[in-house]
Amino acid sequence: QSALAQPASVSASPGQSITLTCTGTSSALGNYDLISWYQQYPGKAPTVLIFEGSKRHSGLSNRFSVSKSGNTVSLTISDLQAEDEATYFCCAYVGSSIWVFGGGSRVTVL
Amino acid sequence: QAQLFQSGTDVRRPGTSVNVSCESSGIDLNGHYIHWVRQAPGQGLEWMGTIAPGGSHETYARKFRGRMSMTRDTATTTAHMSLQSLTFEDTAVYYCARGGRRPDSNCFDPWGQGTLVTVSS
Repeated sequence: QSALAQPASVSASPGQSITLTCTGTSSALGNYDLISWYQQYPGKAPTVLIFEGSKRHSGLSNRFSVSKSGNTVSLTISDLQAEDEATYFCCAYVGSSIWVFGGGSRVTVL
Repeated sequence: QAQLFQSGTDVRRPGTSVNVSCESSGIDLNGHYIHWVRQAPGQGLEWMGTIAPGGSHETYARKFRGRMSMTRDTATTTAHMSLQSLTFEDTAVYYCARGGRRPDSNCFDPWGQGTLVTVSS
């Protein structure tokens, strides 16, 4: 069981928006700047999308945005595309050089 | 193209150890933390540990303390991870990833291609 909770799966039709949540304790998600998001296609290594809370990795579409409310951080994908079908992981620094990942959310484009 | 290249697929017996290497090409690892992350079949990502620049300090996730070790060679820009006392539950793809220059730099980029380790009797 991960210290960061993510919904196992989310689905939507092309053109719609989806929001992936990542919920944890205040110690895990208290510092927004220490949260990152990764995208992983089946059989491939993860790649970073968002780091240090809200910084987009080079070349990332502005269809991807992040927000935070309490102990939940969210990744929103707007104008969903077929290429967005992947698994998304949140990651947080929890102190003392320790990191934790969320369980991942599989996004299905209907 | 900046990449991390990992050693190939490995099959190990329970109770033995496995070594995974991670070599950089086209990217600077010096001054950066290196992380190890694994992914069991059909499961999520699990952070295992990190080694500081120069190999001066290692931090391990609690479940791996005592049976995991990490080293790095600044001359060859290669990092190594060893996991001992393997069980069937250690079957996974093991990834290395470059971290930031600070211990709390939360950007794992790039990642190695992954090394499948299968523990089988």
